[in-house]
Amino acid sequence: GNSVTQMEGPVTLSEEAFLTINCTYTATGYPSLFWYVQYPGEGLQLLLKATKADDKGSNKGFEATYRKETTSFHLEKGSVQVSDSAVYFCALSDLGTGNQFYFGTGTSLTVIP
Amino acid sequence: GAVVSQHPSRVICKSGTSVKIECRSLDFQATTMFWYRQFPKQSLMLMATSNEGSKATYEQGVEKDKFLINHASLTLSTLTVTSAHPEDSSFYICSASRGSYSNQPQHFGDGTRLSIL
Repeated sequence: GNSVTQMEGPVTLSEEAFLTINCTYTATGYPSLFWYVQYPGEGLQLLLKATKADDKGSNKGFEATYRKETTSFHLEKGSVQVSDSAVYFCALSDLGTGNQFYFGTGTSLTVIP
Repeated sequence: GAVVSQHPSRVICKSGTSVKIECRSLDFQATTMFWYRQFPKQSLMLMATSNEGSKATYEQGVEKDKFLINHASLTLSTLTVTSAHPEDSSFYICSASRGSYSNQPQHFGDGTRLSIL
């Protein structure tokens, strides 16, 4: 079946530190992969996506590369800011299961000045 | 970009009240919408898939009679929590996708914080 495993948090970093949030997946078909961000009290916002192997999604300084050989989609940012503090969710969508989304458990990130 | 509007953003009501939450896709037609429930500091739990013009598909363990879903048009799905009790208090989020391909992202509403006293 389909599933997403995400590194557990919470993660606390100093401003300008390097960020990596690990995400691995299991899928029966050829999924699309996504990262969503949730700020306190809000819904989820799409951060970036990749739809096939070796694709790199990027947005707002965040990047993630779809690695089929390692079934991974790790989120990275070279220099985090206080405003990046939020919960990050890795997700996959598989046409074979009716485009149902499968979410990781979320990783809480706090960036301190 | 695509926008999904969810209303109300917060509801506080007495036990036994029924509460309706609306989810609208503002600039695209959505044949399928999804309803999630999120407990504090946890991930999203898919409750049901709402299909325009047909019955919703509920996930295992979700009570159909408790959580009524109606998808009457291509831009509107509603979730009604019937006879709500304190254990129904949660954060409910809807989402919709532009198309039917797996590479289309889900666009989420801002969620509804439901508090049952």
